[in-house]
Amino acid sequence: GQNIDQPTEMTATEGAIVQINCTYQTSGFNGLFWYQQHAGEAPTFLSYNVLDGLEEKGRFSSFLSRSKGYSYLLLKELQMKDSASYLCAVKDSNYQLIWGAGTKLIIKP
Amino acid sequence: SAVISQKPSRDICQRGTSLTIQCQVDSQVTMMFWYRQQPGQSLTLIATANQGSEATYESGFVIDKFPISRPNLTFSTLTVSNMSPEDSSIYLCSVADGDEYNEQFFGPGTRLTVL
Repeated sequence: GQNIDQPTEMTATEGAIVQINCTYQTSGFNGLFWYQQHAGEAPTFLSYNVLDGLEEKGRFSSFLSRSKGYSYLLLKELQMKDSASYLCAVKDSNYQLIWGAGTKLIIKP
Repeated sequence: SAVISQKPSRDICQRGTSLTIQCQVDSQVTMMFWYRQQPGQSLTLIATANQGSEATYESGFVIDKFPISRPNLTFSTLTVSNMSPEDSSIYLCSVADGDEYNEQFFGPGTRLTVL
């Protein structure tokens, strides 16, 4: 079956760095996505990785290792507004998005 | 990026009734998706709706329960039929846009409560 695993919840301190991991087992791979979802709101697109390596976008970076079926989202200089759920999703061989359950990130002052 | 609106934003419905959710996009898009998100959980794809063809439903979802219309490239509806409390959820419309449809944008969602 297809499976995406990410931690249920993480806590970090304002100004610090946090890494949210995602491992996947899917039938084929056509890219990995990270989305941010604030409570009561729709998900918003953060990043897309299809090749191995690190993609940096401001305070957020996303890493992919296809051989390991592994990705992480790195958030630097954490702000209180970064408190949200972070969803990992993989596009499989049918170009269908398979979603992880999401990681709830709690930022403390 | 595509801008998506949904109506209604929320509703409280009685068991056994039906609700139609509308999704409007500000640009023409080929692929539209309907998701369900139950409290504290991730997204579950209900169906993919492409203009000019029948919607493709995921395992566990059937057309009789969730009929979908896609009359043009900017609009779609999802009906939740013969509702039960288990249908209480947030329903999200989404479109795929960008190069190779690599970005997926979401509408604000419809929060449905069935009593």
